[in-house]
Amino acid sequence: AQSVTQLDSQVPVFEEAPVELRCNYSSSVSVYLFWYVQYPNQGLQLLLKYLSGSTLVESINGFEAEFNKSQTSFHLRKPSVHISDTAEYFCAVSERTGRRALTFGSGTRLQVQP
Amino acid sequence: EAGVAQSPRYKIIEKRQSVAFWCNPISGHATLYWYQQILGQGPKLLIQFQNNGVVDDSQLPKDRFSAERLKGVDSTLKIQPAKLEDSAVYLCASSGGLAGIYEQYFGPGTRLTVT
Repeated sequence: AQSVTQLDSQVPVFEEAPVELRCNYSSSVSVYLFWYVQYPNQGLQLLLKYLSGSTLVESINGFEAEFNKSQTSFHLRKPSVHISDTAEYFCAVSERTGRRALTFGSGTRLQVQP
Repeated sequence: EAGVAQSPRYKIIEKRQSVAFWCNPISGHATLYWYQQILGQGPKLLIQFQNNGVVDDSQLPKDRFSAERLKGVDSTLKIQPAKLEDSAVYLCASSGGLAGIYEQYFGPGTRLTVT
């Protein structure tokens, strides 16, 4: 079984400031790691994923996340946020083999202020 | 490519009534998931289908919830009878096809309010 912990339920930040959303996971098997974003009144969208290879993965809109196996973390970062980044961010894991359903964290609400 | 479709988008019912949700996955996606997202929490898997077979329904409250995926395409999730604690957003997701089996695409969800 897996579990995901997102330590911050809300993160307020000013526009153009850097941000880090923290994610830690626990699993008895090897996992894949994901960040999903949910904009207001919209469905979940995949932001980025780590399957294998380089431990640093990037999204098309400037977010990046680094897989740290020793610390079982997959923190999400952006060097300069925009108002449009205001959304709920969910970290998730799935087993590498067998069932591939996602186990989600409780989410972090990123509020970007002007 | 059309996304995952769900209907209705919103539903309000009284406790002990029944309700059904419908999901049409992305064409060609063999795997379909139903998740329940309670306010303030992350989505939680209810059931996973591979084609028209059930892969995992260990977290589905089978005394009141049922789901089917006829012909391996559309799926229906039913609650009968509903309880107050069933108030949540019900999300359908699918995976497979060219994007691979690891990337799940989510529908807009059905927001259920039980009064």
